[in-house]
Amino acid sequence: QSVLTQPPSASGTPGQRVTISCSGSSSNIGSNTVNWYQQLPGTAPKVLIYSNNQRPSGVPDRFSGSKSGTSASLAISGLQSEDEADYYCASWDDNLIGVFGGGTKLTVL
Amino acid sequence: QVQLVESGGGVVQPGRPLRLSCAASGFIFRNYAMHWVRQAPGEGLEWVAVISFDGSIKYYADSVKGRFTVSRDNSRSTLYLQTNSLTVEDTAVYFCARDVKRDYADYADYWGQGTLVTVSS
Repeated sequence: QSVLTQPPSASGTPGQRVTISCSGSSSNIGSNTVNWYQQLPGTAPKVLIYSNNQRPSGVPDRFSGSKSGTSASLAISGLQSEDEADYYCASWDDNLIGVFGGGTKLTVL
Repeated sequence: QVQLVESGGGVVQPGRPLRLSCAASGFIFRNYAMHWVRQAPGEGLEWVAVISFDGSIKYYADSVKGRFTVSRDNSRSTLYLQTNSLTVEDTAVYFCARDVKRDYADYADYWGQGTLVTVSS
């Protein structure tokens, strides 16, 4: 059972906007930043969003992150077929232990 | 370019030890904290451990505390994970990843391709 809670699946059609939620507690998301990772099938994870809402260079601005209280969300606009992947939120707890969400499998219909 | 290459995985019997390695290249290894993250077959990511740039600070997931030890050799640009008292629940692909900071965990900007550890009798 993961410390952070994500929906197991999400879906959308090309061009649509999709959001993935991530729920935590005051000891993790509530007091630390949230990062989002994308894992394409058979590959290593890749950072998509860091520090709640920052995009690394090379990540399209179709991807955006936000955080409020003990929850965070990842939004993907203009959905594309290559966005089909697993998405994980991640943060730290107050003991500097890393915590991940269970992952959300995004399907592009 | 930054490269992280894990090795040392394989099939191991329950209770036996195994040491994983992660060879780093393309950056100044001694300037970055490093992580181990694992992924059981068909499951999600699980953070395992982090070590600071100089090895003085280490943190572990509760699931591995007391059984796993993270270390690094900055002269060899190599990260290690000594795994002891393995159980079937430790079966996973083990990834090493570079943190963007030296001292404390922030986020991982580069990942290796992983090494598979299968614990089975």
